Amino acid sequence: KNEVEQSPQNLTAQEGEFITINCSYSVGISALHWLQQHPGGGIVSLFMLSSGKKKHGRLIATINIQEKHSSLHITASHPRDSAVYICAVRSVGADGLTFGKGTHLIIQP
Amino acid sequence: GAVVSQHPSWVICKSGTSVKIECRSLDFQATTMFWYRQFPKQSLMLMATSNEGSKATYEQGVEKDKFLINHASLTLSTLTVTSAHPEDSSFYICSAGKRELGTDTQYFGPGTRLTVL
Repeated sequence: KNEVEQSPQNLTAQEGEFITINCSYSVGISALHWLQQHPGGGIVSLFMLSSGKKKHGRLIATINIQEKHSSLHITASHPRDSAVYICAVRSVGADGLTFGKGTHLIIQP
Repeated sequence: GAVVSQHPSWVICKSGTSVKIECRSLDFQATTMFWYRQFPKQSLMLMATSNEGSKATYEQGVEKDKFLINHASLTLSTLTVTSAHPEDSSFYICSAGKRELGTDTQYFGPGTRLTVL
């Protein structure tokens, strides 16, 4: 069973700061997702990675398969980025995802 | 784009009743749909994997007779919580798998909040 750990669990930062959220997992994967969950509960898929790096607007996601580690970066953070960010992995041979507990991010104006 | 809808978005029911939640892929055909559950302040947990036209595969600890899953078409899966009890109160989320550029991507529904009184 894949163990997915995220850090930090909670993060409060000022508007404009560079944000990094980390995710590590224990067993080989075929894909890693970064998800955003807003207070109402709805989930938005931000990235799906199997190698390297992806960028979308102010968001950057990287993954190191050898080290079983991924990071999500937010540049020029804004209060609207406040949400729970969740790392989820699809283990090799599996269909469903295993989720981390999430990082609760608050960006203060 | 790929849009997944869920209905209802929230439901309150009495203990002992059954509740059906629908998950639809609106603009693509999903051969696989997934049902997840999230208790307050906890991570999402996979309940079952549903393939069109076949029986769902349930995760360990999930009662298949209590959580009935039907995947009758490539755009619709339903989860029925039978004889619901307060401990079944949770946030239920579905996702639908779509193959894009040789890779399977999951698109999430907005979730259904179930409260059992």
